[in-house]
Amino acid sequence: GENVEQHPSTLSVQEGDSAVIKCTYSDSASNYFPWYKQELGKRPQLIIDIRSNVGEKKDQRIAVTLNKTAKHFSLHITETQPEDSAVYFCAASKTGYSTLTFGKGTMLLVSP
Amino acid sequence: GAVVSQHPSRVICKSGTSVKIECRSLDFQATTMFWYRQFPKQSLMLMATSNEGSKATYEQGVEKDKFLINHASLTLSTLTVTSAHPEDSSFYICSARVENTIYFGEGSWLTVV
Repeated sequence: GENVEQHPSTLSVQEGDSAVIKCTYSDSASNYFPWYKQELGKRPQLIIDIRSNVGEKKDQRIAVTLNKTAKHFSLHITETQPEDSAVYFCAASKTGYSTLTFGKGTMLLVSP
Repeated sequence: GAVVSQHPSRVICKSGTSVKIECRSLDFQATTMFWYRQFPKQSLMLMATSNEGSKATYEQGVEKDKFLINHASLTLSTLTVTSAHPEDSSFYICSARVENTIYFGEGSWLTVV
């Protein structure tokens, strides 16, 4: 089955800095890669996703890049703010399947 | 976006009792829902796939007789933790797919005392 590795497990940055979280996946058939933000005790919220037919997608301060050959994808947050502090999960799945395989998460701490 | 609602948000039960958690799709029909379990500071682990009108599909290592899943309608799936023990204390969360996006319920904190 699919295996998703996520790094780093914790990331501390100063407000205004950029943050990058990286994930790798094992199943070359995976073609959907969402990123979720989860605050303590709350549901994961989809913040951005990318499908394998594109290499990059951007939404304001958030961007995701995908390298299918290397089987890795990354989340980039620019101009970080304290409210960006949360746990971020990457995930992978295949078209037609709804089962998501999650990475272990990255706790992002943005200090004012 | 699509709304997935979960109830209760928090529940405390005694060891040996059973507790039911509901997952509802509020504005769409979900033939398939998913149940995850999340321990503190850990990732979401898929427990089972709930299929409307048929038996759930459990992930390896998940006891189907302990975690009973029922998906009797297109808008409701339930997870019943039977004979609960303190080690079952966790955050349980469901999800459903709408077109190509997966939405999560609010999650349910279960504490077994």
